[in-house]
Amino acid sequence: DGGITQSPKYLFRKEGQNVTLSCEQNLNHDAMYWYRQDPGQGLRLIYYSQIVNDFQKGDIAEGYSVSREKKESFPLTVTSAQKNPTAFYLCASTPRPGGGSGANVLTFGAGSRLTVL
Amino acid sequence: AQSVTQLDSQVPVFEEAPVELRCNYSSSVSVYLFWYVQYPNQGLQLLLKYLSGSTLVKGINGFEAEFNKSQTSFHLRKPSVHISDTAEYFCAVSAPHNNAGNMLTFGGGTRLMVKP
Repeated sequence: DGGITQSPKYLFRKEGQNVTLSCEQNLNHDAMYWYRQDPGQGLRLIYYSQIVNDFQKGDIAEGYSVSREKKESFPLTVTSAQKNPTAFYLCASTPRPGGGSGANVLTFGAGSRLTVL
Repeated sequence: AQSVTQLDSQVPVFEEAPVELRCNYSSSVSVYLFWYVQYPNQGLQLLLKYLSGSTLVKGINGFEAEFNKSQTSFHLRKPSVHISDTAEYFCAVSAPHNNAGNMLTFGGGTRLMVKP
């Protein structure tokens, strides 16, 4: 079955370390997204990518970096510059960017929970 | 720009009772509206969506929502809840012709707690 795989599911990090969260999809979707979820704040967009080798900052990009070298993969690096990285991170995808009734429906991975010790 | 407000952070309800989860949005353009559900430590799943047409939208698991343009609302309802409906519910909005991609703006979420 097609879907989005995020790994690891749980991750612990010491302060000052960079960590990379993996996101892989086999849906043949063009667009991919990273969201951060904190209690009571809903989901906030970190980065998104509409096509390979291109990505854009979302609302809270500071302290994060991404790459999109392959259509299937959109890894997120949480750098030491992110002051409060403890959160639940969700990766998502949509079939194609820009309009269309199906294009706006996000498919989500199961998430990665990052805890800073 | 658009925004979404979910008026209740938590909604406790007894099993088999009806429930309504409230969602209001603001936008200067026409929008698409969504409800997603999140079970503990999982990603979000689409419950239902409003794109156009009938303002009453039926989704999975017996949920439905009604789009009210004059009140800018998209409240989610279920006539009789089950213990298994305990989860967090997110309302979201996007602009159909947003050249920046299919950006969804999410509300803060409502935790539905169904009690036996």
